[in-house]
Amino acid sequence: GQNIDQPTEMTATEGAIVQINCTYQTSGFNGLFWYQQHAGEAPTFLSYNVLDGLEEKGRFSSFLSRSKGYSYLLLKELQMKDSASYLCAVRELNTGKLIFGQGTTLQVKP
Amino acid sequence: EAQVTQNPRYLITVTGKKLTVTCSQNMNHEYMSWYRQDPGLGLRQIYYSMNVEVTDKGDVPEGYKVSRKEKRNFPLILESPSPNQTSLYFCASGKSYEQYFGPGTRLTVT
Repeated sequence: GQNIDQPTEMTATEGAIVQINCTYQTSGFNGLFWYQQHAGEAPTFLSYNVLDGLEEKGRFSSFLSRSKGYSYLLLKELQMKDSASYLCAVRELNTGKLIFGQGTTLQVKP
Repeated sequence: EAQVTQNPRYLITVTGKKLTVTCSQNMNHEYMSWYRQDPGLGLRQIYYSMNVEVTDKGDVPEGYKVSRKEKRNFPLILESPSPNQTSLYFCASGKSYEQYFGPGTRLTVT
């Protein structure tokens, strides 16, 4: 079956580092996406991992371990504007379908 | 400017009155998709299209139709809308390694 798990909510302090985890079980794997979504707005693409390892893009990094069915999004030097929902999504290999987790709502406090 | 556009952005309609939500992208992407987003349920894929004249069901296709006659357009059709189709709808397009979402259409069916 298909299952993607993320924590529902997280809180962190401005300037700190936060790690948002995502575990998945899907019928074949063809890439993992992270998106940011502010309330009432469209999701915005953050990162894509298809091979194991760490992808760094400015303050954001994303890690993937295919053998463990595990990914994380790392946000450094948190800013108030980083308060948003972060969505993990996995693409199935055979169908090309994109399956989303419920999302993690991150609140950054001063 | 590279973008995905949706129309209308907001729509209030009545049960049974056919409607179409348009989606257009100017990035020459082969892949396009429709999602609905509901509180507590996250983003769920309705239909997707890997290329012109190729469409496939996502996780929640019941009550929806799509067509892909040309690469840039991917309309979502509700032949007989019902109140349980009240939701926030997003269209997306992309390549294998990144995806872009439209601004969303908030639909209310009374």
